[in-house]
Amino acid sequence: DAMVIQNPRYQVTQFGKPVTLSCSQTLNHNVMYWYQQKSSQAPKLLFHYYDKDFNNEADTPDNFQSRRPNTSFCFLDIRSPGLGDAAMYLCATSVTVTTYEQYFGPGTRLTVT
Amino acid sequence: DQQVKQNSPSLSVQEGRISILNCDYTNSMFDYFLWYKKYPAEGPTFLISISSIKDKNEDGRFTVFLNKSAKHLSLHIVPSQPGDSAVYFCAASVYGGSQGNLIFGKGTKLSVKP
Repeated sequence: DAMVIQNPRYQVTQFGKPVTLSCSQTLNHNVMYWYQQKSSQAPKLLFHYYDKDFNNEADTPDNFQSRRPNTSFCFLDIRSPGLGDAAMYLCATSVTVTTYEQYFGPGTRLTVT
Repeated sequence: DQQVKQNSPSLSVQEGRISILNCDYTNSMFDYFLWYKKYPAEGPTFLISISSIKDKNEDGRFTVFLNKSAKHLSLHIVPSQPGDSAVYFCAASVYGGSQGNLIFGKGTKLSVKP
């Protein structure tokens, strides 16, 4: 089955220690998104890639970076995690940016100690 | 400020009855609306959508109604089943706006009791 896969499902990191979350997709979609969802909050878009074009949301902290080495993979790098970065991180894909339907992975829950 | 609001954090309904989940929005530029369903330990999955040129869209047991003048949409599930128990997110988008940007509400947790 075509899908969006996120690894790991649970990640614990220390305050200030860089961490990378990964996402892969077998849907061959052009667009990949990263969302942050804190407890009882709405998912919030951090950035997205349309092919190799990177689009950062205006209010995404500089602490968050992303890489997309190929169509299938996208990484979220948090350079110096703070306690406030503890959240569920959701990866999603869509065929194009004008396709409203997005397909989500199961998420990675990040804990910062 | 929240542009998409789901004011009921939770809703409990008896199996077989109608579930009505509500969503309000503030941005009149939104022209496409979606509902996602999320089970625990899974990512949100697309359920149903509606364009602003319509006021109703139906798919099986699920119907979404849009009232543009009130900036309100609702999801009706009839009849409700225990398997419908999940968190439901309302999302909105602007065609041609910040590309790919879906604005989500905080979600409503639906519990359908047997």
